[in-house]
Amino acid sequence: DIQMTQSPSTLSASVGDRVTITCRASQSLSGRLAWYQQKPGEAPKLLIYQSSLQSGVPSRFSGSGSETEFTLTISSLQPDDFAVYHCQQYKSYPLTFGGGTKVEIK
Amino acid sequence: QVQLQESGPGLVKPSQTLSLTCTVSGDSISSSAYYWSWIRQHPGKGLEWIGYIYYTGSTYFNPSLNSRGSLSVDTSKNQFSLKLHSVTAADTAVYYCARDIAKVGATAFEIWGQGTLVTVSS
Repeated sequence: DIQMTQSPSTLSASVGDRVTITCRASQSLSGRLAWYQQKPGEAPKLLIYQSSLQSGVPSRFSGSGSETEFTLTISSLQPDDFAVYHCQQYKSYPLTFGGGTKVEIK
Repeated sequence: QVQLQESGPGLVKPSQTLSLTCTVSGDSISSSAYYWSWIRQHPGKGLEWIGYIYYTGSTYFNPSLNSRGSLSVDTSKNQFSLKLHSVTAADTAVYYCARDIAKVGATAFEIWGQGTLVTVSS
């Protein structure tokens, strides 16, 4: 199985901050990584797939990376962005997720 | 608008079988050619992919679950189901059903159900 490691596990930030979350894979993903946002009591929401923002996702979100290291960046954190973020690889089965990064208010 | 809704018992006794159904509306399992998955989330933890089913009945089940489960589809009811046998407290989780974003296999999950909490306890 491909192991996915996210860092940090918790991130404290203020509105307007630039935030970066890292996801590392135990082997090359050839770019096959997705990012999700999850708010309390809700299902995850797909943000980025094939390096592209999903429809309706604000442009302050961006994703980069290609092999084993990926980043999700929020250019200017907004109140609606405080949530847990998950990465997920779809290079091979079984599909696996990172442990999640909680973005909380500083 | 495509919607998924999980249903099933919220409480299951240890050693018994967990059975959940996902009802799909706004899309046809048999004609849309998407892959349909189950994902679970242990309380306060990350996400774990359980597996997928395709409308033909083709399935993949995560080996981490030690062959304890099965996936099935009922195209006449536009539903797919999960059975997990010999459950323990470690199977307590929120269970989600989801539809894939692509039609090439299980990749990423574009549409999710709201999730249902299943507690394993006597």
